[in-house]
Parts: sequence; structure tokens; C-alpha cells
Amino acid sequence: AQSVTQLDSHVSVSEGTPVLLRCNYSSSYSPSLFWYVQHPNKGLQLLLKYTSAATLVKGINGFEAEFKKSETSFHLTKPSAHMSDAAEYFCVVSDRGGGYNKLIFGAGTRLAVHP
Amino acid sequence: DARVTQTPRHKVTEMGQEVTMRCQPILGHNTVFWYRQTMMQGLELLAYFRNRAPLDDSGMPKDRFSAEMPDATLATLKIQPSEPRDSAVYFCASALEFPTDTQYFGPGTRLTVL
Repeated sequence: AQSVTQLDSHVSVSEGTPVLLRCNYSSSYSPSLFWYVQHPNKGLQLLLKYTSAATLVKGINGFEAEFKKSETSFHLTKPSAHMSDAAEYFCVVSDRGGGYNKLIFGAGTRLAVHP
Repeated sequence: DARVTQTPRHKVTEMGQEVTMRCQPILGHNTVFWYRQTMMQGLELLAYFRNRAPLDDSGMPKDRFSAEMPDATLATLKIQPSEPRDSAVYFCASALEFPTDTQYFGPGTRLTVL
């Protein structure tokens, strides 16, 4: 069965410094991996998606993630944090075992950005 | 800018009352998902529809929850009777199964059962 582990429940950075949100996955086959962001009292917005094309995936708002099969990781990064990046971030793996794209969500990482 | 819409955005009700939440998927999307988000359990899949047919509702408490798609533009999630433990944010998502199957989420319905 597919699963995903987000290694940090909270991350705090200063504005203008790099962001690293860590995610490890478990999958019995080549997975599709996603990062979604949820701002307070909002729905989930897709940041980026990996589907076995390029291992470095660029998303919206300057975020990118690198798929590393040897490490079973899909960490999310951004070179310079902005105050508006403060939100909860979910690493997600798709499970097609049931014949459809069932999303398995990590527990989430809450990103705080300080001035 | 196509998006998933959900109504109501907030609902406060008393235990034992019926609650109906509605979702309008993105036009043309043929798959619809219902999720529940709580602090304790995180995001859980409740039900999945493809071409309006329910294909997986294994995550849904069958005794009180029901999900339907009366037509391609409306999905409903009903709780009867509601209980305090149902308090959560309920999200609807839709996707076009092929070629990308990326799920797009609505803003959610925040349900409080007193």
C-alpha cells in the first residue's frame, strides 16, 4: 500500500530564507506525487505534480520538488520564503490499486514565515 | 477560471439534524471525490464517483452518511442523523480522469454539530 510521511509537523523560517519541507513516500510501483497547499480557511491548491517525467518538478509561486527514487523522497523547496507562503503543505501520493487515482495525504507541515 | 464550488461554506446544526452539503464540480470533469478533514485524522477520502456512479464509498460511515450525484453538475453528501463527531471540514474535489487526473478542490464546508 502507498503511504507518505512528512517529516516535520512545523517549520519556521524567516522571510527571504530558503524553505525545505521534507516528504518520504512508500510505493510498490512508480508513483504520482503531489504537493498541495492549504491557506487558512481555504481549500487545497495544487502546487506541483510528479508523474515520472522530469525528476525536478517546478510548481507555482517559485516552489519546486525533486523526486529521488533511491531515497524515496519528494522534498519541497523554495529559494526565498515570502510572508504569503505561510500555510499548511501536504505531500500526497496517488494509489491506483483500486483502479482510480486515490490520493493518500501526509499529515501536513505547517510553515510559518517570520519578518 | 473554472473551479469547484461548495455550499454552504459554514453550517452549524444540532445533534440529530439532517445535514446536506452540495458540490458543483468543474464542468466536464467526470470524477468527483468527497473528503473529510479533522485535526485528529487529517484528510480522509469518504467517497468517489466516476461518471456519476459511486465506485468507492468504503471510507464513509454507511449508517448515517450517503453520497449521490443526481446529475453531472451536482454532488451531494448527506448526514442523517448528525453527531458531534461529524464536526469537520468537508471537501469536494473533481478531476478529468484522463489524461492528467489531477484533483481540484473546492473551498470546503465547515460543519459544526452541537
